[in-house]
Amino acid sequence: GENVEQHPSTLSVQEGDSAVIKCTYSDSASNYFPWYKQELGKGPQLIIDIRSNVGEKKDQRIAVTLNKTAKHFSLHITETQPEDSAVYFCAADTGFQKLVFGTGTRLLVSP
Amino acid sequence: EAGVTQFPSHSVIEKGQTVTLRCDPISGHDNLYWYRRVMGKEIKFLLHFVKESKQDESGMPNNRFLAERTGGTYSTLKVQPAELEDSGVYFCASSQDARQEAFFGQGTRLTVV
Repeated sequence: GENVEQHPSTLSVQEGDSAVIKCTYSDSASNYFPWYKQELGKGPQLIIDIRSNVGEKKDQRIAVTLNKTAKHFSLHITETQPEDSAVYFCAADTGFQKLVFGTGTRLLVSP
Repeated sequence: EAGVTQFPSHSVIEKGQTVTLRCDPISGHDNLYWYRRVMGKEIKFLLHFVKESKQDESGMPNNRFLAERTGGTYSTLKVQPAELEDSGVYFCASSQDARQEAFFGQGTRLTVV
């Protein structure tokens, strides 16, 4: 079955810096790659996603890139702000929202 | 519009007891999912309902776990009898279409002592 690895497990940056979180997946049949942000006491919230027919997608300060050949995808957050502090999860899906998640990255943005 | 709601938010039970978690999906969402995050590890899929039918229950750990969705509305996840390794955060999610975004509830933190 699908296996998703996520790095780093923790990431500390200064406000205004960029943050990059990387994930790899094993199943070449996976075709949907969402990223979730989980704030304290809340459930995971979708922040951006990408499908396998696209290499890059951007939404304001966040972007996701996908390399199907290498089976890896990354989340890029630019101009980080303290409110970006949270746990971020990547996931892969072969269809029907049976998501396989990474282990999560705790991002801390210091003012 | 109300989001996905889960009850209770926290539950502490003794080993061997029974616990029932409840999930109210977003109104009109036919697809309902249960996930679990144990000990800070990855969030793992448990099962998927389409209306009242179990579409995929391949992630259910063992027969101590029973999920139901009577009438295709809210769902319950019962753990009987609970074991220490069942501790974790149980998430419910729902989507209107299985190929659309799934919205997650805030989770139920289950602690078995």
